[in-house]
Amino acid sequence: KAGVTQTPRYLIKTRGQQVTLSCSPISGHRSVSWYQQTPGQGLQFLFEYFSETQRNKGNFPGRFSGRQFSNSRSEMNVSTLELGDSALYLCASSPGTADYEQYFGPGTRLTVT
Amino acid sequence: AQTVTQSQPEMSVQEAETVTLSCTYDTSESDYYLFWYKQPPSRQMILVIRQEAYKQQNATENRFSVNFQKAAKSFSLKISDSQLGDAAMYFCACGIKAAGNKLTFGGGTRVLVKP
Repeated sequence: KAGVTQTPRYLIKTRGQQVTLSCSPISGHRSVSWYQQTPGQGLQFLFEYFSETQRNKGNFPGRFSGRQFSNSRSEMNVSTLELGDSALYLCASSPGTADYEQYFGPGTRLTVT
Repeated sequence: AQTVTQSQPEMSVQEAETVTLSCTYDTSESDYYLFWYKQPPSRQMILVIRQEAYKQQNATENRFSVNFQKAAKSFSLKISDSQLGDAAMYFCACGIKAAGNKLTFGGGTRVLVKP
């Protein structure tokens, strides 16, 4: 099976712009979770989608949003970008609940200038 | 809320030797999982080992084993016969079964392997 894919791999945006990141889970996986990784804050959970529904949400402002499509692919959107949004954004997919292993994608490196 | 603490920012080990990474966690939940993830320079997170909290037996995966002390809320990782490919950041994480796939990560420990 193909692994988790994330596009784009690298992105440079300007403050105030918005950005959309995409994550394609492993075939058959219904859960997609998103994480932000920064040197200062480490790895932080953004949200999880399961069967097109947001199942869990981390402590991030409303500028961060996401969605999941019927084929389980997920997108996350960040509006009104700030310099502090520069980070590696990781997504992870899983067949279902916490009983299953999560598989991570290679990440999208976002730089906000 | 869960917290995960890794007190060692960096550990160095000689090739073929053993290194132990420390992790402590705090949760009020009874049904949870603990994980060690490896993040090499490529930045791809790779699951090293997983432990269900209800299991007393320590998990083992080849050269990787854990020492799970539930009462002390401690979950250390031992890497035996260290190899150059083991050099990476290692993250300890906790997941609560009721919270779906949300993981709380520690700050990470960088492992350096000396040839």
